[in-house]
This record gives sequence, structure tokens and C-alpha cells, in this order.
Amino acid sequence: GESVGLHLPTLSVQEGDNSIINCAYSNSASDYFIWYKQESGKGPQFIIDIRSNMDKRQGQRVTVLLNKTVKHLSLQIAATQPGDSAVYFCAENREAGGTSYGKLTFGQGTILTVHP
Amino acid sequence: DSGVTQTPKHLITATGQRVTLRCSPRSGDLSVYWYQQSLDQGLQFLIQYYNGEERAKGNILERFSAQQFPDLHSELNLSSLELGDSALYFCASSVGRGHRGETQYFGPGTRLLVL
Repeated sequence: GESVGLHLPTLSVQEGDNSIINCAYSNSASDYFIWYKQESGKGPQFIIDIRSNMDKRQGQRVTVLLNKTVKHLSLQIAATQPGDSAVYFCAENREAGGTSYGKLTFGQGTILTVHP
Repeated sequence: DSGVTQTPKHLITATGQRVTLRCSPRSGDLSVYWYQQSLDQGLQFLIQYYNGEERAKGNILERFSAQQFPDLHSELNLSSLELGDSALYFCASSVGRGHRGETQYFGPGTRLLVL
């Protein structure tokens, strides 16, 4: 659904722990998903993406899992560091009218706090 | 640093006024996107331009307009400002038309406060 800015989910972890941030999407036609990280006072920063023909993709310390059956996306961060503290957004890009536009639809975001 | 620049960084104005936000995309990028981030609506897509032409439109108010110039920089014009227009406005750019798989790189944003 559309993003809602109030009452963002929060996740608090200790440095070195693994973090899992979840995202549900509502449109089964969505076929491309992106995770962004937004630090305080900055713009969203691309982390990793995944197409709907995949169920897992790995990057450096991050893994994205996609479950199309339940329309669920997760971002796993290994060995979380204090510098990972930020708001994390999932975003979907869906084809509209037969033409792929660049409209990203963002989730509400999750606040990740990493304690030293 | 994403390579996308936005000016000004902060803007304070009064209701009923008009402001212009400016964005320069990354070198070589042809598409520019505008997003609004507010506390109650989150990050919302407003509009996309590709190589000077409007490519996609989101929930952009009629009081808002944008354009992309031949040098590919873009401006977002907000008029008849209301208190509810106070938000962060982000510009993003990508290399092509915005097809799936094309990464959008975001600028640092312009924080608009309407008093």
C-alpha cells in the first residue's frame, strides 16, 4: 500500500548482531524491488535490489529475500555496525501501461538503531 | 556523495508564496525524478522527466510544476504554498528512461518550511 510516515517500526540491535528488516508489499504486479538506506539529514542511498524472478540476492554484508507468495521482502544485514543506524526503506517499481516507468513506491520505513 | 546536487538546502517561506527548487543530475544521467518526503505521507513520487520531456507523473498537486532544461538540470516550482507543503523534497537521477533495474540516485534534498 501507500507509505505512512507516522509510527515507523523500529529495530534495535547490538553491534555485531545480524539485523533483519521486513517489508510487505500489496501489488502482486510489482516486479522489481529496492532497498534504500536513509541517514539523518541525507537522501536515500541505494543498498541492493532484486527482480521478481529471483528469491534471493546477496551483496556485501546484505542479503535481500523475496517471497512472492506472501508478498514479503526482507533485508538482512550481517555483523551490524553503528554506521548502519538509519531508516531503511523498501521500494517497488512496477510496470504501468506496458511501459516501464521510473516511479518508485516506497514503504513506510524501519528505523534501525545499532548500539555499540 | 551520490553526484546529484540540490539547491537550496533549506528554504523558509510564507503561505501563498512561490518557490523554485533546483536539481542537477549525475553526469550522464538523462532522467530526473522528484519526490516529496513528509511525516504523514512518507516518500511520495511526484514526477519524472527524461531528456527534457515529462515521462511519468505521480500525485503531484496542480500548484506544483516541474521542467527539465536542455542541460538536463531540473526545477520544481511550488506555488500558492500551504503549511502542509512543508516537507523534504528530493531529486533523484538515473541513466536512462527509468526502466526496471535502473538505479535511482538521490540528492541530499531541500527542506522546505512554510510558515
